[in-house]
Amino acid sequence: IAGITQAPTSQILAAGRRMTLRCTQDMRHNAMYWYRQDLGLGLRLIHYSNTAGTTGKGEVPDGYSVSRANTDDFPLTLASAVPSQTSVYFCASSVGAGAGHDEQFFGPGTRLTVL
Amino acid sequence: AQSVTQLDSHVSVSEGTPVLLRCNYSSSYSPSLFWYVQHPNKGLQLLLKYTSAATLVKGINGFEAEFKKSETSFHLTKPSAHMSDAAEYFCVVSVDIYGNNRLAFGKGNQVVVIP
Repeated sequence: IAGITQAPTSQILAAGRRMTLRCTQDMRHNAMYWYRQDLGLGLRLIHYSNTAGTTGKGEVPDGYSVSRANTDDFPLTLASAVPSQTSVYFCASSVGAGAGHDEQFFGPGTRLTVL
Repeated sequence: AQSVTQLDSHVSVSEGTPVLLRCNYSSSYSPSLFWYVQHPNKGLQLLLKYTSAATLVKGINGFEAEFKKSETSFHLTKPSAHMSDAAEYFCVVSVDIYGNNRLAFGKGNQVVVIP
């Protein structure tokens, strides 16, 4: 059982380019999340999806978009990357979105550098 | 809104001595509380979780945490540090808001273990 996989592991990207970070889980979890981790700031929620077909904005959604076409996949897209989006990105999932299902499982992360 | 405060962004302990990482939270609701650990270049792993059962929670690798509602604290302890405990530790509060569980992360404690 892989849990959550993310691709790529790391990427260097020119500013203005489009980039999609991939996230796949095999636990059949309903809810999925994207976070960014920056030094001294902890993790901040970018977007979330409570169930396939629905998405919502988190704390820092600007410049990012997501889709949730099925249960397993939750890609994060940067339409036009900017240097401030240099960060480590973590995908996570939980059994559900409500009470009693709040433990989140994390992927290994994608380290993105925008030049 | 819920929030988490972790003091002492960097903590140094000698191998074999106790570890204490402090966490205080604020929440308008009855929270779930977590401690996650992140080893270098890895994703986050759940250490332990409090969900309104026993106030003293035991986790993996010899860690435990005590929930004190009167102090709004959830400090993490371990009697004897091991070299493998060198990592970053995050205190996290989860609140269920209208069926949506949201995690708020502290800014983390970077633990260094001195041989």
